[in-house]
Amino acid sequence: QSALTQPASVSGSPGQSITIPCTGTSSDVGGYNSVSWYQQRPGKAPKLMIYDVSNRPSGVSNRFSGSKSGNTASLTISGLQGEDEANYHCSSKRSGSTYVIFGGGTKLTVL
Amino acid sequence: EVQLLESGGGLVQPGGSLRLSCAASGFTFSSYAMSWVRQAPGKGLEWVSAISGSGGSTYYADSVKGRFTISRDNSKNTLYLQMNSLRAEGTAVYFCAKGPRYNWNDGSYFDCWGQGTLVTVSS
Repeated sequence: QSALTQPASVSGSPGQSITIPCTGTSSDVGGYNSVSWYQQRPGKAPKLMIYDVSNRPSGVSNRFSGSKSGNTASLTISGLQGEDEANYHCSSKRSGSTYVIFGGGTKLTVL
Repeated sequence: EVQLLESGGGLVQPGGSLRLSCAASGFTFSSYAMSWVRQAPGKGLEWVSAISGSGGSTYYADSVKGRFTISRDNSKNTLYLQMNSLRAEGTAVYFCAKGPRYNWNDGSYFDCWGQGTLVTVSS
């Protein structure tokens, strides 16, 4: 099964805002409000940043926000900080036997 | 504090078997679905398998169905993944991940992850 589509890399300067898109199909992103986003620093475990499209777990900065339009979900990070530099993975529930599918990951560089 | 600690990874030949374990602490283990997610070197994440809180329902990715078996021992707060007929494409870091609810289908995301254990399939 094809992964969700994310850009390989994005970059921004401190204080700026960036948006990472995650494109799927009507069988996953477009069909469910079950998109989640994970932050992963090199050699570390992923950390949940957004669940169910736009909900933030306790302890996650409100600089992180999520949204969805049609088959594309987005993660927006406002007021970029150096500590935000990491890989970001999107995920969605999927119909059929795959259950959950991930994107290929996006490397965020803070210039 | 929720903690997940994987073990059991290592080098195995193609066609071989390996059993991974994940020791959980800091939460009521039997109340939550659990999953295994893997990440090949330099690649994205791939969901592998999930199990309900009781262990009565299990789910597998097509890529591992029939070769991998997920199980749990709620008396020991431990999750397992038995991997048989391993292939080179199984080389990855395998993460244990906690689901948000008892039933896997009630929340398809992962709110806590272990540090992972590396499995290398090579001759």
